[in-house]
Amino acid sequence: AQSVTQLDSQVPVFEEAPVELRCNYSSSVSVYLFWYVQYPNQGLQLLLKYLSGSTLVKGINGFEAEFNKSQTSFHLRKPSVHISDTAEYFCAVSDLDGATNKLIFGTGTLLAVQP
Amino acid sequence: GAGVSQTPSNKVTEKGKYVELRCDPISGHTALYWYRQSLGQGPEFLIYFQGTGAADDSGLPNDRFFAVRPEGSVSTLKIQRTERGDSAVYLCASSWDNNQPQHFGDGTRLSIL
Repeated sequence: AQSVTQLDSQVPVFEEAPVELRCNYSSSVSVYLFWYVQYPNQGLQLLLKYLSGSTLVKGINGFEAEFNKSQTSFHLRKPSVHISDTAEYFCAVSDLDGATNKLIFGTGTLLAVQP
Repeated sequence: GAGVSQTPSNKVTEKGKYVELRCDPISGHTALYWYRQSLGQGPEFLIYFQGTGAADDSGLPNDRFFAVRPEGSVSTLKIQRTERGDSAVYLCASSWDNNQPQHFGDGTRLSIL
């Protein structure tokens, strides 16, 4: 069985500061990894994904994440945040060998950008 | 092009009633997923369709929940004898196939009084 842990339920940060949102996963098989963003009263929007290849993945809105297999982590980073980045961020995994490829989500991290 | 469309956006009903939630996926997407998101939680998988068939319904919590996709496009999630614990946001996602990233709708916020 797979699981995703997002240890930080909320991360406050000042505008233009760097930020890292942590994600660790557990799986007995190879996985795909994703970060989604959810703005209030909206669905989830894909920020970036790791399927294979380079472990540093760049996504939309200036975000990037690094896959670390030995530490089973996929932390999300942005060098300088904006007020508009305030949202809930979800890390997710799916089973590479499964027929369904359903997503298993973490509990989310609220990024609160302050002026 | 249009994204995943879910209707209604909000649904309020009384305990014990029957509800139907609709999902219109992106045109051409053969894979369709339903998830449930409770307050303060990440989405949880309910059911997966490949075409018209439910390929994986392992996430449905009990037999009050049922979903169909009769023509391989629009899907309906049906909940019988609703309970207050069913209150959540129900999200639908679709993809070209089960190896492609999923695109989510804005969800239906279901409130059971």
